Amino acid sequence: NAGVTQTPKFQVLKTGQSMTLQCAQDMNHEYMSWYRQDPGMGLRLIHYSVGAGITDQGEVPNGYNVSRSTTEDFPLRLLSAAPSQTSVYFCASSLTRYNSPLHFGNGTRLTVT
Amino acid sequence: QKEVEQDPGPLSVPEGAIVSLNCTYSNSAFQYFMWYRQYSRKGPELLMYTYSSGNKEDGRFTAQVDKSSKYISLFIRDSQPSDSATYLCAMSANTNAGKSTFGDGTTLTVKP
Repeated sequence: NAGVTQTPKFQVLKTGQSMTLQCAQDMNHEYMSWYRQDPGMGLRLIHYSVGAGITDQGEVPNGYNVSRSTTEDFPLRLLSAAPSQTSVYFCASSLTRYNSPLHFGNGTRLTVT
Repeated sequence: QKEVEQDPGPLSVPEGAIVSLNCTYSNSAFQYFMWYRQYSRKGPELLMYTYSSGNKEDGRFTAQVDKSSKYISLFIRDSQPSDSATYLCAMSANTNAGKSTFGDGTTLTVKP
């Protein structure tokens, strides 16, 4: 099984550019989420989804959009990249929203210059 | 103050040592406690998953939860160089385990 697949692995953007980070899972998981990981700040929740067509904001949602049109895919859109969005982004999924541990992808390393 | 505080490390131990990794938390609603291991340039992977207070053992790993003290620990016995990684504690309340709150991580190096 592929698990959680994230693309691209690396990306460099200029300030003001937009892009979409892709995330796909093949485990038929109900719950999907996006985290960013920064030194000294741990993993912080950006957006999450409890099923197709349902999304909600996490701890740090500003500057990011998400949608979930299928169970498998949960893309994260950066609308107008800023240097503060330089980070490592992880997509994670779990079987259900309740009491299920997270399965993570291997991350997208984003640099905004 | 953060909801979850993790001993920052880094930690460096000789092969075969017993390692103790610790987190404290302030939210008494947390009931699910997890430890993730993250190798360099990889995503976190689940190591241990426990509910409420008590101990859980899995091979060389033991997770311990003390809800009265709001304190959790991960013990690694007979540590190996392959255990060198960053360890993240995570916790969630009953309503939505997917919305886990993570500690900042402790980086462990096990020297042969």
